[in-house]
Amino acid sequence: EVQLLESGGGLVQPGGSLRLSCAASGFTFSNYAMAWVRQAPGKGLEWVSGVRGSGDKTYSADSVKGRFAVSRDNSKNTMYLQMNSLRAEDAAVYYCAKGLGPGSFNEIDNWGQGTLVTVSS
Amino acid sequence: QSVLTQPPSVSAAPGQKVSISCSGSSSNIGSNYVSWYQHLPGTAPKLLIYENNKRPSGIPDRFSGSRSGTSATLGITGLQTGDEADYYCGTWDSSLRAVVFGGGTKLTVL
Repeated sequence: EVQLLESGGGLVQPGGSLRLSCAASGFTFSNYAMAWVRQAPGKGLEWVSGVRGSGDKTYSADSVKGRFAVSRDNSKNTMYLQMNSLRAEDAAVYYCAKGLGPGSFNEIDNWGQGTLVTVSS
Repeated sequence: QSVLTQPPSVSAAPGQKVSISCSGSSSNIGSNYVSWYQHLPGTAPKLLIYENNKRPSGIPDRFSGSRSGTSATLGITGLQTGDEADYYCGTWDSSLRAVVFGGGTKLTVL
């Protein structure tokens, strides 16, 4: 059974940093693209960043480029999201997401339960 | 404002059929596969349709997807009260080099 467990969320001040982790199990981690998707309160889903199965390529939404960095450690079956220069509008539930294949960012067949990030002074 | 446009809400009676549209452009829907997700508040989203019209195992054939040009449609037949949820379309945007979602459509089963 696929399991995705996010951690690292919490309260941070504007301008601060946070690192999210997603521990994966139940599948061959390196064979699948992974992504972070967020949902702000009262808003829809927003794709944040993705990384290919091999870890050689990453992509990010314009709203977080230059501030967030996605990475993965296939030896630890874990994906990360380093979030810097956080803004109030980054407050959201952040979901860890698994793609259908090594480069499938759009087709997400498994999601974590989400971790809440609050940005406030 | 979302790159993909969906109606904010749709409604229909139990047992009826509903369609949810998703409009984009040549750089996203027009040239890449579309996926559809069901999201109930407080739970993880669920993949309903991928590659425009394919259903993952376990998704009933009441759910269907189609794509024509720069638009896509999710169809749901035999509506049940348990289908009440938010529905999102998503696809890769070749210009933005990122996944884009629609704004979401809230389905109400009256």
